[in-house]
Amino acid sequence: DAKTTQPPSMDCAEGRAANLPCNHSTISGNEYVYWYRQIHSQGPQYIIHGLKNNETNEMASLIITEDRKSSTLILPHATLRDTAVYYCIVRGETSGSRLTFGEGTQLTVNP
Amino acid sequence: DTEVTQTPKHLVMGMTNKKSLKCEQHMGHRAMYWYKQKAKKPPELMFVYSYEKLSINESVPSRFSPECPNSSLLNLHLHALQPEDSALYLCASSQGQGVIAAKNIQYFGAGTRLSVL
Repeated sequence: DAKTTQPPSMDCAEGRAANLPCNHSTISGNEYVYWYRQIHSQGPQYIIHGLKNNETNEMASLIITEDRKSSTLILPHATLRDTAVYYCIVRGETSGSRLTFGEGTQLTVNP
Repeated sequence: DTEVTQTPKHLVMGMTNKKSLKCEQHMGHRAMYWYKQKAKKPPELMFVYSYEKLSINESVPSRFSPECPNSSLLNLHLHALQPEDSALYLCASSQGQGVIAAKNIQYFGAGTRLSVL
């Protein structure tokens, strides 16, 4: 699986958009980008995934660059409950069932 | 409903005890997982069951013994653990495995926080 690089921490003001970057420069053509988050003392929660097109659901938007070497998770109106560690994971057919979590980004939403 | 239920929420055990962690899902998922998470670290995969058969063991010590009695239940039997095994143990399930990305989405329980004294 391709390795991902995320900033260790970010801050965001409540009500503003939170833009979380992820670098995956070695991603291959059949590998998907998945985002999960983990609120303190809870299990990870699936947010969104994509291959090459931008994706949006009720939680977030995922923007993948045309060369697919990086992506951005956007929380359009961050709330205090969005404070969590956000994990960007690249996963392809050869991963089997493996989700390999990196260190993630600690997002803190401030009032 | 995307709920994975883990019991107990907290467990304290001595190094000579035998205990079990339980995980249950009723989403009809056919793949189930155990992860271990140490404090301030990301989750690490331990075991994967697919269609009730063990498909992945990430070189986990034999003092951890998984069991999948049926498609809805996953157990993790613990015996002769060490203090360094203290961690959050997470269970997850997914619809299946393979090339269809949506089927690989894993849903996690809240975990069992284990302390080994």
